[in-house]
Amino acid sequence: QTVVTQEPSFSVFPGGTVTLTCGLSSGSVSTSSYPSWYQQTPGQAPRTLIYSTDTRSSGVPDRFSGSILGNKAALTITGAQAADESDYYCVLYMGGGIWVFGGGTKLTVL
Amino acid sequence: EVQLVESGGGLEQPGGSLRLSCAASGFTFSTYAMNWVRQAPGKGLEWVSASGSGGSSYYADSVKGRFTISRDNSKNTLYLQMNSLRAEDTAVYYCAKESIPGVGKRGGFDFWGQGTLVTVSS
Repeated sequence: QTVVTQEPSFSVFPGGTVTLTCGLSSGSVSTSSYPSWYQQTPGQAPRTLIYSTDTRSSGVPDRFSGSILGNKAALTITGAQAADESDYYCVLYMGGGIWVFGGGTKLTVL
Repeated sequence: EVQLVESGGGLEQPGGSLRLSCAASGFTFSTYAMNWVRQAPGKGLEWVSASGSGGSSYYADSVKGRFTISRDNSKNTLYLQMNSLRAEDTAVYYCAKESIPGVGKRGGFDFWGQGTLVTVSS
């Protein structure tokens, strides 16, 4: 069974840049995986940041961007703010109608 | 404005059944695939099931054979029939809309409901 991997935790200073990644336990992530990124704070529903690799969802500031870096999908946050302290999840399309989420990254803004 | 409103959650005993609903508005429901995603207490997100705009259904291995997804395009409503419930099905269940319209189209999920809590316990 293929596992979607994310860093369990990451830290960034206010104003800094951080890149979170989303990979596969076997194989490479491509645009055909349609990687998408979601932000979630405790007790709230997920908020879509990026879908289909690099399409920013409505209302999402351009500080958030998605890409493929090497064999992984990546979410880059520039000019980090205290409000960015959240859990971040990626999801990948596995084919056959199946999606798999990564375990999530807890981002701390120091 | 896209809105997704889940309902039907509650407390159910192991082995029991529940039916979740997701009422959609603000977009052409029939042209988009729709998904159920759940989150167990203190855990991450888990994709559960999808209903394609062309009528296809897909399931995670963890629920295959126990859960059935369906949709009523005339009522703009998505359903999840959950049978043979287990303690590990305890979670908040979210309805999520596919971002790209059309049969077989994929892009990820762009809108989410607020979720409905399912608790399976004796």
